[in-house]
Amino acid sequence: DAMVIQNPRYQVTQFGKPVTLSCSQTLNHNVMYWYQQKSSQAPKLLFHYYDKDFNNEADTPDNFQSRRPNTSFCFLDIRSPGLGDAAMYLCATSRVTGTPSEQYFGPGTRLTVT
Amino acid sequence: LAKTTQPISMDSYEGQEVNITCSHNNIATNDYITWYQQFPSQGPRFIIQGYKTKVTNEVASLFIPADRKSSTLSLPRVSLSDTAVYYCLVGEENTNAGKSTFGDGTTLTVKP
Repeated sequence: DAMVIQNPRYQVTQFGKPVTLSCSQTLNHNVMYWYQQKSSQAPKLLFHYYDKDFNNEADTPDNFQSRRPNTSFCFLDIRSPGLGDAAMYLCATSRVTGTPSEQYFGPGTRLTVT
Repeated sequence: LAKTTQPISMDSYEGQEVNITCSHNNIATNDYITWYQQFPSQGPRFIIQGYKTKVTNEVASLFIPADRKSSTLSLPRVSLSDTAVYYCLVGEENTNAGKSTFGDGTTLTVKP
């Protein structure tokens, strides 16, 4: 029944070692989002895809990249993780209908940087 | 983007009605108001969305005054399992996706 799936749920990487987080969806939604959420803070939007159209938030560091090879999958690449990148990374999807629709969130991947 | 302001925390007791108010003084004409609930170590979950007046679903009600500069999420008869962080978002959720920003959230603690 899982609609937005994130793998892995927990990821440990070393300082400076590239890491990729994955997200898949079974909802066939147009839009996929990546958020970063640090402890006791609100989710912060990094970027989103509207179909294949990539939209980067102005303050998202260059260290963060994303790929969406098809409707179902989206990846978050962190090229050189720093200690400050330790956080929960949330993937979400939504459907474009012409009126606002809800975002469906995955369970998140908790990234630890050692 | 319209900025939102919510109380940082609220306490309540089981069985009570809880009202959480969100201020959004510079809300734009096309903006909707959306509330999400988040439990620890989980992704946020949609609760309710509205544009004006009152919206009700099976879990909550959303009250929006005529000037739309604030909104109130009402949770009837809360239980311990309603302890969570509640976020108010304002924006055009989907015309070009991603134009909503999460506010700081309200941590609701329900006590027995």
